[in-house]
Amino acid sequence: DAGITQSPRHKVTETGTPVTLRCHQTENHRYMYWYRQDPGHGLRLIHYSYGVKDTDKGEVSDGYSVSRSKTEDFLLTLESATSSQTSVYFCAISESNQSNSPLHFGNGTRLTVT
Amino acid sequence: QQQVKQSPQSLIVQKGGISIINCAYENTAFDYFPWYQQFPGKGPALLIAIRPDVSEKKEGRFTISFNKSAKQFSLHIMDSQPGDSATYFCAASMNTGNQFYFGTGTSLTVIP
Repeated sequence: DAGITQSPRHKVTETGTPVTLRCHQTENHRYMYWYRQDPGHGLRLIHYSYGVKDTDKGEVSDGYSVSRSKTEDFLLTLESATSSQTSVYFCAISESNQSNSPLHFGNGTRLTVT
Repeated sequence: QQQVKQSPQSLIVQKGGISIINCAYENTAFDYFPWYQQFPGKGPALLIAIRPDVSEKKEGRFTISFNKSAKQFSLHIMDSQPGDSATYFCAASMNTGNQFYFGTGTSLTVIP
């Protein structure tokens, strides 16, 4: 398995509270991604990073922010959690931004917003 | 708008049978088509992938068939086994960005 650790693995939080999910990699890959997985939608890209302090939005970025202060860590923050953000969140890494550079996923964080 | 459309949503196959999952896309700029396999509680893992310059790729019991003119590709699992029971996602990407577009997933159950 690729060296990707997501924390926490499960979290329950209340509407309106801030939440931060962490992704830590030991592969020294340049590219890191946050996806959310929902039934009927597959996996959708929230944000990605192409280097330290270099990030960009994906297709479902509203309500989320990210930060990458070190190569190995990529944080996803929900500034004010809403019930629509209840989902399973996956971090992924890749070696390059070439289309055939495979994504390696962590085991996910299940977030429930009540 | 779903960039990659996947069917069926769920599939039940007898052990030893053939499992077939289909995907279709519209964007002709896509140039890489991977399939991911996901077990409960785990992240998706790359299973097999194909580029549009070939019509078929086989790895063990897993085969991708690719029809460029129809903009369709499919995953065939030969001699399906209970251990193949998982969710399968097709995806597509292009060389101009960092984004993979995933299908909605197919839950495969192989009955012993």
